Amino acid sequence: GEDVEQSLFLSVREGDSSVINCTYTDSSSTYLYWYKQEPGAGLQLLTYIFSNMDMKQDQRLTVLLNKKDKHLSLRIADTQTGDSAIYFCAETVGAGNNRKLIWGLGTSLAVNP
Amino acid sequence: EPEVTQTPSHQVTQMGQEVILRCVPISNHLYFYWYRQILGQKVEFLVSFYNNEISEKSEIFDDQFSVERPDGSNFTLKIRSTKLEDSAMYFCASSGSRYEAFFGQGTRLTVV
Repeated sequence: GEDVEQSLFLSVREGDSSVINCTYTDSSSTYLYWYKQEPGAGLQLLTYIFSNMDMKQDQRLTVLLNKKDKHLSLRIADTQTGDSAIYFCAETVGAGNNRKLIWGLGTSLAVNP
Repeated sequence: EPEVTQTPSHQVTQMGQEVILRCVPISNHLYFYWYRQILGQKVEFLVSFYNNEISEKSEIFDDQFSVERPDGSNFTLKIRSTKLEDSAMYFCASSGSRYEAFFGQGTRLTVV
């Protein structure tokens, strides 16, 4: 069945780059997403990438997609303490109006001053 | 900036009671969803709703669950007879296209 896997924890120093990795199983996924959840808050859409792209850059965020290996990564440049949160990788499955998101467990990013 | 709002933020209910979780999606969005996250587990899909009907539902979404869009702005999830295992964070989401889904803050449901 469909599955998304992520490492659970990542700790970085302020100013360093963070790389959060994700693997997924459904090769027919058209879109892959990164969501951010800060403590006590909801799921904030950070960015997404279409499956025919290898890379997408949005300010400090860079998404890399390796479709052959079904591997997605999120790089945060110049990581700040405000980036401390849980980051979820999600893939779309299904077609038409029946699309839904399959989620990873989330990677908890701790940024140390 | 438009956002999805959910109420209440936290609901405690006794086992067997009915609960209604409420959501106000982003106006002019057409697709609506409920997801839930049991503590320590992955976020899981419950149901999608489009054109005033359910598009798809998961195995979790059994006869105890129902969704409604009663007045063109609210989107509700009803659990008829809550069980302990229904305790979770419930997230509502809406989408103006099939590609982006915007989520609310969630309702933490605690069944005692």
